[in-house]
Amino acid sequence: AQSVTQLDSHVSVSEGTPVLLRCNYSSSYSPSLFWYVQHPNKGLQLLLKYTSAATLVKGINGFEAEFKKSETSFHLTKPSAHMSDAAEYFCVVSAPNNAGNMLTFGGGTRLMVKP
Amino acid sequence: DTEVTQTPKHLVMGMTNKKSLKCEQHMGHRAMYWYKQKAKKPPELMFVYSYEKLSINESVPSRFSPECPNSSLLNLHLHALQPEDSALYLCASSQVRQGAPLYFGPGTRLTVT
Repeated sequence: AQSVTQLDSHVSVSEGTPVLLRCNYSSSYSPSLFWYVQHPNKGLQLLLKYTSAATLVKGINGFEAEFKKSETSFHLTKPSAHMSDAAEYFCVVSAPNNAGNMLTFGGGTRLMVKP
Repeated sequence: DTEVTQTPKHLVMGMTNKKSLKCEQHMGHRAMYWYKQKAKKPPELMFVYSYEKLSINESVPSRFSPECPNSSLLNLHLHALQPEDSALYLCASSQVRQGAPLYFGPGTRLTVT
């Protein structure tokens, strides 16, 4: 069984300040973890993925995440927020399955960026 | 190319109509997915096709009927829907291997009147 908890449903930052979106997971397997971003009325875009290689993962648009097994966390960070980062962010854990990859989504974090 | 395309972008249908949603990918992925997303919620899995065969049906009502005509195409046939079926319908694809990410299309915004 697996689960994902995004610790904040809403995060508000000022443009140019750091972003931290928190995610904790639970998995019976060695997990694959992802962050996806969804802008209003759009599909989900893959930001980055962790699949048991380096624990610090770099993604698109300056985002990165660190896998910490001891804390079962996979927090998403960005040094400097941009207005275009305002969106919904989902932390996702994947379980292996012969039929495909079964994703478990966190509840989402809405990031607001103030000018 | 990591693009998944979906048509139409928007669809309004009555409860007695029959319509279809279409999805296409050319990444060579052999797993394809339908998700339903209600406002302010994460996506919910509906169906998974693996190697063009339906492998997972998450107890979806029979008024939703998926079809995978070939390895690049995925359809969702809709009939006798209810207003509560109004949602964003997302298609995704992936390789069939552990840890492979899913690539999502832009979605079809469905409104049932």
